[in-house]
Amino acid sequence: GAVVSQHPSRVICKSGTSVKIECRSLDFQATTMFWYRQFPKQSLMLMATSNEGSKATYEQGVEKDKFLINHASLTLSTLTVTSAHPEDSSFYICSARDDGHTQYFGPGTRLTVL
Amino acid sequence: AQSVTQLGSHVSVSEGALVLLRCNYSSSVPPYLFWYVQYPNQGLQLLLKYTSAATLVKGINGFEAEFKKSETSFHLTKPSAHMSDAAEYFCAVRKGAGNMLTFGGGTRLMVKP
Repeated sequence: GAVVSQHPSRVICKSGTSVKIECRSLDFQATTMFWYRQFPKQSLMLMATSNEGSKATYEQGVEKDKFLINHASLTLSTLTVTSAHPEDSSFYICSARDDGHTQYFGPGTRLTVL
Repeated sequence: AQSVTQLGSHVSVSEGALVLLRCNYSSSVPPYLFWYVQYPNQGLQLLLKYTSAATLVKGINGFEAEFKKSETSFHLTKPSAHMSDAAEYFCAVRKGAGNMLTFGGGTRLMVKP
């Protein structure tokens, strides 16, 4: 089956620093990837749609300058949380869409901002 | 706009018992429906999907779901629960060929020995 990886799986950083999370589709090409945020015991909240070679589309209420998305190739999208604060602590999950429009999810990245 | 409702945020069954996780959707057009499973501190794994072919969809790990248009439902079932099935389950709908998934609130399945 289609495999999506994320790196790192867990990161702890100080307030004010920036953190980059990578999402890779390992065995298929994905022109579209998605970034979600999940709070404890809650469902996934779509943050943005990442399109290869173009700007990301952000959901309402998501700060594009805070959460920078770069989809530089057909297998890699990155999410950079800039000037992270404790309220940004969360579980971030990416997904990649295959040609059949099915989304395959990465294992997630747990971000803790001290 | 499409939406998904999962009835019951927590479901508890005994090992070997039937698993039934409920999902109802609303959509003005024929939907694409998905069930995903999430184990603690992990991403989501696709269990099965409905894409307007057969109404009874078989997935991995012995799970299956039946699309019932008249009831706007896509309930997930498994005849016999295993301890390893304990996880969070999410129903999601995608409208037509569009990209976005809308997720239900999730149902935590607990399996008792």
